[in-house]
Amino acid sequence: KAGVTQTPRYLIKTRGQQVTLSCSPISGHRSVSWYQQTPGQGLQFLFEYFSETQRNKGNFPGRFSGRQFSNSRSEMNVSTLELGDSALYLCASSFGPLGAEAFFGQGTRLTVV
Amino acid sequence: EDKVVQSPLSLVVHEGDTVTLNCSYEVTNFRSLLWYKQEKKAPTFLFMLTSSGIEKKSGRLSSILDKKELFSILNITATQTGDSAVYLCAVITAGKSTFGDGTTLTVKP
Repeated sequence: KAGVTQTPRYLIKTRGQQVTLSCSPISGHRSVSWYQQTPGQGLQFLFEYFSETQRNKGNFPGRFSGRQFSNSRSEMNVSTLELGDSALYLCASSFGPLGAEAFFGQGTRLTVV
Repeated sequence: EDKVVQSPLSLVVHEGDTVTLNCSYEVTNFRSLLWYKQEKKAPTFLFMLTSSGIEKKSGRLSSILDKKELFSILNITATQTGDSAVYLCAVITAGKSTFGDGTTLTVKP
């Protein structure tokens, strides 16, 4: 079966702009969680959506938001981009809620200049 | 604040060696602990542990959780160059997922 698909794979944005990243989970999976990975901070949990509802949230500012559609596809939005938002953004999908076996996408590499 | 600490941060071994990677945690409302292998970009799932003392095994890899002492270990026997990767430990609590910084394993031929 098809894996988790993230688009775009690479993105360059300017400070102050906003960006939307997309994640299509494995068919049948209802949970999508988002992570930010940077060399300095490692892999950090952003939030989790399950059946279109945000169920869990990490310690990120309100500039980071997301949503999930009825087909389980999820989008993450970052507004007013800062240089420090440059990172690899990963999403993972699972059939069950956060904590179940999860499958990661290849990530979106965001560079803010 | 939830904390997950992995050790060692990096490890260099030769093919055929056995390695033990450690993950200790201090969290509230523990639900499960997961191990992942990250080679290029996407971490790949290895194990999910929820019960103390029950070993999970897959080929040369095995893992066990000690909920009393708050740690887990990942063992890899007869290492191969293909085992070279960053191994990540994540602890899932009632509200979120917390990852350790990972252990970078390098297996030399």
